[in-house]
Amino acid sequence: SYEVTQPLSVSVALGQTARLTCGGNNIEYKNVHWYQQKPGQAPVLVIYRVDNRPSGISERFSGSTSGNTASLIISRAQAGDEADYHCQVWDSDTVVFGGGTKLTVL
Amino acid sequence: QVQLQESGPGLVKPSQTLSLTCTVSGGSMSSGSYFWSWIRQPAGKGLEWIGRIYTSGYTNYNPSLKSRVTITVDTSKNQFSLMLSSVTAADTAVYYCAREGSSSRFEYWGQGAPVTVSS
Repeated sequence: SYEVTQPLSVSVALGQTARLTCGGNNIEYKNVHWYQQKPGQAPVLVIYRVDNRPSGISERFSGSTSGNTASLIISRAQAGDEADYHCQVWDSDTVVFGGGTKLTVL
Repeated sequence: QVQLQESGPGLVKPSQTLSLTCTVSGGSMSSGSYFWSWIRQPAGKGLEWIGRIYTSGYTNYNPSLKSRVTITVDTSKNQFSLMLSSVTAADTAVYYCAREGSSSRFEYWGQGAPVTVSS
């Protein structure tokens, strides 16, 4: 079965750029989606199909893929960006989530 | 604006069946081409997809849970439901229902229903 891996935690200084990764075999050929989840809340879609932002999501959020790695990039990081971030793909009739990355804004 | 709301018992005894219902408002489930999914999240852990259903009744399930999961839909009530049998403490989690749009992205989520498996 397909697996995607995310680092447990990433830290970024206030105002700097954070890059969160999602690893999977040839993930560049898959539609990768990213969700932001704050404590006690349901996940919110922030990037879909690699690099598309839903309405209402800040342009500071962007995405990319290359080879076996998909990335969520958060520019000019703010305190309000501190959250868990989950990547998700679809493979062989199954939805696959990564384990999630906790982003800390210092 | 589509809204989803989970409902059901918050406490289930081991070996029994967990049952949850998701009520969809703000639009008919039968409008458009959407799948309707259940996703869960144990405390402090990541998201786990349980399965999904189309309004025709077609289903897909997570292979790791398939033997214990049944998802059904009642379009007349704009609801879909989850049944998970033979539960153990490992099934303790927050259970979310969600609408799956194109490219299998989850655009709309319920607020989540915490379920504890304990005697």
